[in-house]
Amino acid sequence: EDKVVQSPLSLVVHEGDTVTLNCSYEVTNFRSLLWYKQEKKAPTFLFMLTSSGIEKKSGRLSSILDKKELFSILNITATQTGDSAIYLCAVEADFGNEKLTFGTGTRLTIIP
Amino acid sequence: AAGVIQSPRHLIKEKRETATLKCYPIPRHDTVYWYQQGPGQDPQFLISFYEKMQSDKGSIPDRFSAQQFSDYHSELNMSSLELGDSALYFCASRRGGRYEQYFGPGTRLTVT
Repeated sequence: EDKVVQSPLSLVVHEGDTVTLNCSYEVTNFRSLLWYKQEKKAPTFLFMLTSSGIEKKSGRLSSILDKKELFSILNITATQTGDSAIYLCAVEADFGNEKLTFGTGTRLTIIP
Repeated sequence: AAGVIQSPRHLIKEKRETATLKCYPIPRHDTVYWYQQGPGQDPQFLISFYEKMQSDKGSIPDRFSAQQFSDYHSELNMSSLELGDSALYFCASRRGGRYEQYFGPGTRLTVT
C-alpha cells in the first residue's frame, strides 16, 4: 500500500523565518509527487515533481525531489502570515492508478 | 481561469437519506477524481473516471456510486447515509494523464 509521511506535523515560526517541510514516501511505480496548500478550503496546487534533483520554484516557495532516497522538501523563505496553512504532500503512481495518496500534512503557523 | 465547480457547497441530510454531489471539471479536463476528507484528516481517494469510464476505485463504500457523463461532469450518489459520512467531499480534475490534479472547493456534507 502506498504511504506518505510528512514531518513535522506542526510548525510555528515567526514572520520572516525560513521553513523546510519534509515528505517521505513509499509507492509502487512512482510517477510524481505533488505539493498542495490547504487553507480553509480546497487544496491549492503548488508543485508537481517527477524528476530527481530538479528544483521547482515559485516566488518564495521551492521544492525538490530525491527519488533515490524517496523524499521531497518544500522550502518557504521570508515567511508571511498568509503562508499559514496545512501543506499536503501527495504521490501518484503510474498511469492507470493515478489516484493521489496524501500525507497527513504539516500545519504551518506564522506568527506576526 | 475556470476552476472545478462543485455543487452544492453545503448539504445537510438525515441518517438513511440519499445525497447527490455534482462536479464540473475544468474545461478540456477528461479525468475526474473524488476524495473524502474527514475532520482533521487528509483527503482519502474514493473513485475516479477517465473518459466516462471508471478508472480506479479506492475506499468507497458500497452505498456510494458515481458516474461521469458525456459532458465530463460527474455525480457522486450516496445512499443510506450514516453519521460517519459527514465530511468534506472534493472533486479534482486533470487533463490527460500527465498533468496535476486541480481541486474544486468541496461539498461539506453533514449527516444528522
